[in-house]
Amino acid sequence: EVQLVESGGGLVQPGGSLRLSCAASGFTFSSYSMNWVRQAPGKGLEWVSYISSSSSTIYYADSVKGRFTISRDNAKNSLYLQMNSLRDEDTAVYYCARDLDLGSGSYYDYWGQGTLVTVSS
Amino acid sequence: QSVLTQPPSVSGAPGQRVTISCTGSSSNIGAGYDVHWYQQLPGTAPKLLIYGNSNRPSGVPDRFSGSKSGTSASLAITGLQAEDEADYYCQSYDSSLSGSGFGGGTKLTVL
Repeated sequence: EVQLVESGGGLVQPGGSLRLSCAASGFTFSSYSMNWVRQAPGKGLEWVSYISSSSSTIYYADSVKGRFTISRDNAKNSLYLQMNSLRDEDTAVYYCARDLDLGSGSYYDYWGQGTLVTVSS
Repeated sequence: QSVLTQPPSVSGAPGQRVTISCTGSSSNIGAGYDVHWYQQLPGTAPKLLIYGNSNRPSGVPDRFSGSKSGTSASLAITGLQAEDEADYYCQSYDSSLSGSGFGGGTKLTVL
């Protein structure tokens, strides 16, 4: 059974940093690209970042570019999101999601349960 | 501001059919990228409902169907059931984002 379990969320002050983790199991993690998607309270979904299976390709949403860093450790079956210079508007539930692509754009077939990040003074 | 536009809400009585539209542009749906749909039940993570415009993952009832035409896509739900009450999101790759774009979400209410 595919499982994605996020951790590392919490309360942080504006300007602070936080590192999210996503532990994967039930599939060959090193064969799949992965993503972070977030959802602000009461709002819709927003794609945050993508990393290919070998970490050779990485993309970020403009809203987090230069502040967030995605990475992975295939030996540990883990995905990470280092978040620096956090702003109030980064407050959201952060989901890790497995990536699939039929050749016409990625979609997300498995999602974690999410971890809440609250940026507030 | 979402790159894909969905109605904020739709509603229907049990047993009825409802559709949810998803309107894009030449940088996403109109460019030929696939549309995918997710269902988010209250307090839970999104779940893949339709992928590649019209394909259902294993376990998704055939009451759910998707279609795409031009710069738009639609999700249809037939034989509405109380457990279908949820938020629904469309998603597609957007070349202007170099990543995925989501619709703003549609809240389905079963009357």
